[in-house]
Amino acid sequence: EVQLAQSAAEVKKPGESLKISCKGSGYTFNIYWIGWVRQMPGKGLEWMGIIYPGDSDTRYSPSFEGQVSISVDKSISTAYLQWSSLKASDTAIYYCARVDWDSYYMDVWGKGTTVTVSS
Amino acid sequence: EIVLTQSPGTLSLSPGERATLSCRASQRISSSYLAWYQQKPGQAPRLLIYGASSRATGIPDRFNGSGSGTDFTLTIRRLEPEDFAVYYCQQYRSASGTFGQGTKVEIK
Repeated sequence: EVQLAQSAAEVKKPGESLKISCKGSGYTFNIYWIGWVRQMPGKGLEWMGIIYPGDSDTRYSPSFEGQVSISVDKSISTAYLQWSSLKASDTAIYYCARVDWDSYYMDVWGKGTTVTVSS
Repeated sequence: EIVLTQSPGTLSLSPGERATLSCRASQRISSSYLAWYQQKPGQAPRLLIYGASSRATGIPDRFNGSGSGTDFTLTIRRLEPEDFAVYYCQQYRSASGTFGQGTKVEIK
């Protein structure tokens, strides 16, 4: 079964750093993009960016470029989303999803990681 | 960045009725890169339609996608109780993607 397992919920203070993870299983990890999607409390979905594990090619939404960093360790089939200095406005659920290599739709989703940033 | 505008914001319908959801793009996009998702409270989104009109695995045939260029539509032929949810369209073009703001289909 194709699955994406996301890391547990995090509670952080403003200014702290954070790296959350997304581990793929049940398929050939290297040949599908992994995407990240933000959902702020009570709001809609926001496309953040995608990474191709085969060569680490990364594409960001202009809204998130420079605000987060997406990376991958293909040896352990895991993608990451990282912040160097969190803000309260980063409080959200972050979903990872498998992205079709050709048409870029998100066909398998993780359950989400809740990130809470509060002083 | 391409903006997707979904309408209406909320659709109030009864089970058995037909739902028609619209997604309009600010620029022309390839049908290959237009998808629809369903999200229920407390759950991750689920892929319904990809390539504007192809149903994802396991999606009932009451869900149909259509459209091209800048105008796309998701139609739910006869609403079942489990179809009341929020629906999002999503596009990918020029190395970036965006979602629409969502349409909530609620029970009337």
